[in-house]
Amino acid sequence: ILNVEQSPQSLHVQEGDSTNFTCSFPSSNFYALHWYRWETAKSPEALFVMTLNGDEKKKGRISATLNTKEGYSYLYIKGSQPEDSATYLCAFEPYNQGGKLIFGQGTELSVKP
Amino acid sequence: EADIYQTPRYLVIGTGKKITLECSQTMGHDKMYWYQQDPGMELHLIHYSYGVNSTEKGDLSSESTVSRIRTEHFPLTLESARPSHTSQYLCASSESSGYYGYTFGSGTRLTVV
Repeated sequence: ILNVEQSPQSLHVQEGDSTNFTCSFPSSNFYALHWYRWETAKSPEALFVMTLNGDEKKKGRISATLNTKEGYSYLYIKGSQPEDSATYLCAFEPYNQGGKLIFGQGTELSVKP
Repeated sequence: EADIYQTPRYLVIGTGKKITLECSQTMGHDKMYWYQQDPGMELHLIHYSYGVNSTEKGDLSSESTVSRIRTEHFPLTLESARPSHTSQYLCASSESSGYYGYTFGSGTRLTVV
């Protein structure tokens, strides 16, 4: 059984704080690691798809790193804003599984003004 | 602007009724997926399709069935709804390469009473 673990489960920060979450995934049979942002009452939205060990991706104030050898990825948010409040999901895509994803439970972020 | 549409958003239905959850996408994606999420739990794959007339069961056993007669349409049917089917159902699609991640619908929150 392939497990994807995310920590923490929830996080409450003040506006302006920087924060980071962790995603742990199997280090074998790796093809890609996905990050999604899921705001309440909206659809999950793809943030990053990362495929190479050592990959770093950035979108505005959000960035992510990937370590496939040890099986973890970090998502960083610099200077959190209330509009960053959402659940952040990571998903492991195994090799040769046709794009099927295994999701973690998510990290619920709340940013207070 | 949504490129993948799910209806209905919310559905409360009695035990024993037949229901169909609709999912349509306008992007021409070959790959489509149905995920189920119980409260506080991960998204679990219940069905997927790689193209017209191709459907497979996912990792989580489900009593639902799907069909893929047209590229853009991937409906999910429950022949006889039960309270244990109460859950959130998310439809998604992706390009064949998967490089850009999934595009998700807004989900259907099903309650069977």
